[in-house]
Amino acid sequence: KNQVEQSPQSLIILEGKNCTLQCNYTVSPFSNLRWYKQDTGRGPVSLTIMTFSENTKSNGRYTATLDADTKQSSLHITASQLSDSASYICVVSAWGAAGNKLTFGGGTRVLVKP
Amino acid sequence: DAGVIQSPRHEVTEMGQEVTLRCKPISGHNSLFWYRQTMMRGLELLIYFNNNVPIDDSGMPEDRFSAKMPNASFSTLKIQPSEPRDSAVYFCASSQIRDGSSYEQYFGPGTRLTVT
Repeated sequence: KNQVEQSPQSLIILEGKNCTLQCNYTVSPFSNLRWYKQDTGRGPVSLTIMTFSENTKSNGRYTATLDADTKQSSLHITASQLSDSASYICVVSAWGAAGNKLTFGGGTRVLVKP
Repeated sequence: DAGVIQSPRHEVTEMGQEVTLRCKPISGHNSLFWYRQTMMRGLELLIYFNNNVPIDDSGMPEDRFSAKMPNASFSTLKIQPSEPRDSAVYFCASSQIRDGSSYEQYFGPGTRLTVT
């Protein structure tokens, strides 16, 4: 069964500090992995998309890594800002006869405190 | 571009009533997705369309749920009859799928549905 597990469920960090979110998956056959940021009351916004051959991808202060061998991904936030307070969702896509099949992680809720 | 537009933003209805959620995708996008999000279950894909044709509806909970896409600029998600457990935020997203792989999805603001 395809699954995506994220950790931690939530974390609190001080403004200016770095943090790393984890995503482990058992999705096959793997197509791509995405990280989304979701602010409270809003729809998710894509941060990064990585395919099998990509190890790292950055979007400003957000850097995602992918280890397709161990089926792990991380999202690193550098020099956190108050606006980084949000839920971060890992989504893994599998190839399927009916197109890509998406499996969603439960998300990590990040709170950045001044 | 106005982005993905959803209406209504909030809907409160009584159990047993019909509910219709609406979505206007980004102009030029060829794929549209309906999602449901709850605290308990997180984000779930309900159904997605490609070129107005339903491709995968395996996430649709049951026969009370139906979705249509009569043209490239409009889609509806209907729940009939609604039940309290349908209370959730329903998101619509659209994308331009070319190679079937790494496409960006753009989400709408969501419709918060409360069924009492």
